[in-house]
Amino acid sequence: QQQVKQSPQSLIVQKGGISIINCAYENTAFDYFPWYQQFPGKGPALLIAIRPDVSEKKEGRFTISFNKSAKQFSLHIMDSQPGDSATYFCAASSSGNTGKLIFGQGTTLQVKP
Amino acid sequence: DTAVSQTPKYLVTQMGNDKSIKCEQNLGHDTMYWYKQDSKKFLKIMFSYNNKELIINETVPNRFSPKSPDKAHLNLHINSLELGDSAVYFCASSTPSGIQETQYFGPGTRLLVL
Repeated sequence: QQQVKQSPQSLIVQKGGISIINCAYENTAFDYFPWYQQFPGKGPALLIAIRPDVSEKKEGRFTISFNKSAKQFSLHIMDSQPGDSATYFCAASSSGNTGKLIFGQGTTLQVKP
Repeated sequence: DTAVSQTPKYLVTQMGNDKSIKCEQNLGHDTMYWYKQDSKKFLKIMFSYNNKELIINETVPNRFSPKSPDKAHLNLHINSLELGDSAVYFCASSTPSGIQETQYFGPGTRLLVL
């Protein structure tokens, strides 16, 4: 299976709160899991990425948690800010597969002031 | 000094027409991609070229034909446009494929077929 399933579809969080977006995959050959952030009218941009040899990766307020046995990974945005309001995509790929990224369906995050 | 650029930004055309979208990257990358983002924001890869060689060709209608004149350019030509082709098309580039480097996306071309 090539799918990556992402939830929720949309999320509203108060400023300062924690935003959590979840993804699940089926293909055990996937070994690279990036998150992309897309602002309205712009192209997606890499936010943070993880490989399955670690269970967590943190960059500033953004953390990826990875559960290899459950085939799930999630993005946590701490101290969410209105400037974080965007669409977030999880993705997955397998090494040697020509760099092909399989994207989740996207989550539209709105952070209220 | 735009990294990945696309032209045009907007494209409005009639059904049945033929149109092209151009993409250029100045990052020195070897691999370029075309993605389609539909009205529900779902992002799906269409094609990928590595050093002018086609390496990914998803189940895309034959009406779509990519062309890579050199490794810095990847154009997308669409014949006999249909209503369902309306979407945002993104070009992206990365260092050699299979190494899972960051993909850098262009600003997108918003295509509306009437």
